[in-house]
Amino acid sequence: DIVMTQSPLSLPVTPGEPASISCRSSQSLLHSNGNNYLHWYLQKPGQSPQLLIYLGSNRASGVPDRFSGSGSGTDFTLKISRVEPEDVGVYYCMQTLQPPIAFGQGTRLENK
Amino acid sequence: EVQLVESGGGLVQPGGSLRLSCAASGFSFSNHWMRWFRQAPAKGLEWVATINEDGGDKYHADSVKGRFTISRDNAKRSLYLQMDSLRAEDTALYYCARVAQEASDYWGQGILVTVS
Repeated sequence: DIVMTQSPLSLPVTPGEPASISCRSSQSLLHSNGNNYLHWYLQKPGQSPQLLIYLGSNRASGVPDRFSGSGSGTDFTLKISRVEPEDVGVYYCMQTLQPPIAFGQGTRLENK
Repeated sequence: EVQLVESGGGLVQPGGSLRLSCAASGFSFSNHWMRWFRQAPAKGLEWVATINEDGGDKYHADSVKGRFTISRDNAKRSLYLQMDSLRAEDTALYYCARVAQEASDYWGQGILVTVS
């Protein structure tokens, strides 16, 4: 099974400052079609998870361009160029290359 | 507008059964794989099961294999999760989600299952 590891697990950020979350997988998530089967989600307090980034680097519909995803193989990063107050919540990476689908432990972003 | 609405949750005793439903609207349901996820209280997200467009391919997490079964009825635009032999550790908020571009792009609001 593929194991997903996120860091940090807690991220205090001052609004307006950048933020970065790392996600590492125990096996490469690069499919033979050239896509990385790695996705990023934000779960705001009391809400369902919302898709931010799919296939490593593609912003989902309606996601602000301050969010970006990068990386390939086993190392991925989610970056927020300037954190807004509404960005607080728990961020998860998820792999869908092979079952079982696996999530990282989650990174809690909070206002400093 | 894409909508996924779960129902069928509640309180059940250990060893009991529940059937969750997910009503889909606003998109071509029969053209999408679908998934169930769950989230135990104050815990992270866990994948439960996946089903392909026509219901012919199904995948279940080891933690539920042999006890839970995912299914769908495309004519009714509905996804199901039959949960048998429930355990305390199955207590969670259960979400249905649509699959697109290999990710799950739309999620329901979740339905609570409590096994006690």
